[in-house]
Amino acid sequence: DAKTTQPPSMDCAEGRAANLPCNHSTISGNEYVYWYRQIHSQGPQYIIHGLKNNETNEMASLIITEDRKSSTLILPHATLRDTAVYYCIVRVAWNYGQNFVFGPGTRLSVLP
Amino acid sequence: DTAVSQTPKYLVTQMGNDKSIKCEQNLGHDTMYWYKQDSKKFLKIMFSYNNKELIINETVPNRFSPKSPDKAHLNLHINSLELGDSAVYFCASSQEGGINEQFFGPGTRLTVL
Repeated sequence: DAKTTQPPSMDCAEGRAANLPCNHSTISGNEYVYWYRQIHSQGPQYIIHGLKNNETNEMASLIITEDRKSSTLILPHATLRDTAVYYCIVRVAWNYGQNFVFGPGTRLSVLP
Repeated sequence: DTAVSQTPKYLVTQMGNDKSIKCEQNLGHDTMYWYKQDSKKFLKIMFSYNNKELIINETVPNRFSPKSPDKAHLNLHINSLELGDSAVYFCASSQEGGINEQFFGPGTRLTVL
């Protein structure tokens, strides 16, 4: 799996957009970028994934640079409930034998 | 309806005991996982099962033995518990052949005294 680099922590004001960066400079052509988050001590929760195009769903947007060496997860209007650790993972899809490698992630604190 | 459930939620036991954690998913997925999250909060894969067959077995002591009686269940049995086994254990499931979005259970906090 390609390694990812994320800032250890970030703050964001409630109601503002939270932009969480991730570097994955060694990503290969068939590896997807996945984002998960873990709120307090709950199980991780899937947010979004993408290959090379920007993606948006009801939770967030994922912006992937053209060279695919970095990406940004955007929470458009952060709320207090978005306070969590956010994990960026790169992995080949459709691969039975490949696991997810969770790094330390970014601890996002949404402040009132 | 809970998608991935684990029992028990909390488990406190003495060193040397044998304990089991159960996991069930009602999503119809064919792959299930066990992860360990230690006190430093690093989440590490332990095992992966696809259609009841072991796919991934990371460097885990053989005191840990997963058992998958059917596709919907993956239980974790731990023999001769040690202090270092104290952690939160998460079960997860996914449908292979696709994007591999994993659904996680609520976790089991194991404390070994």
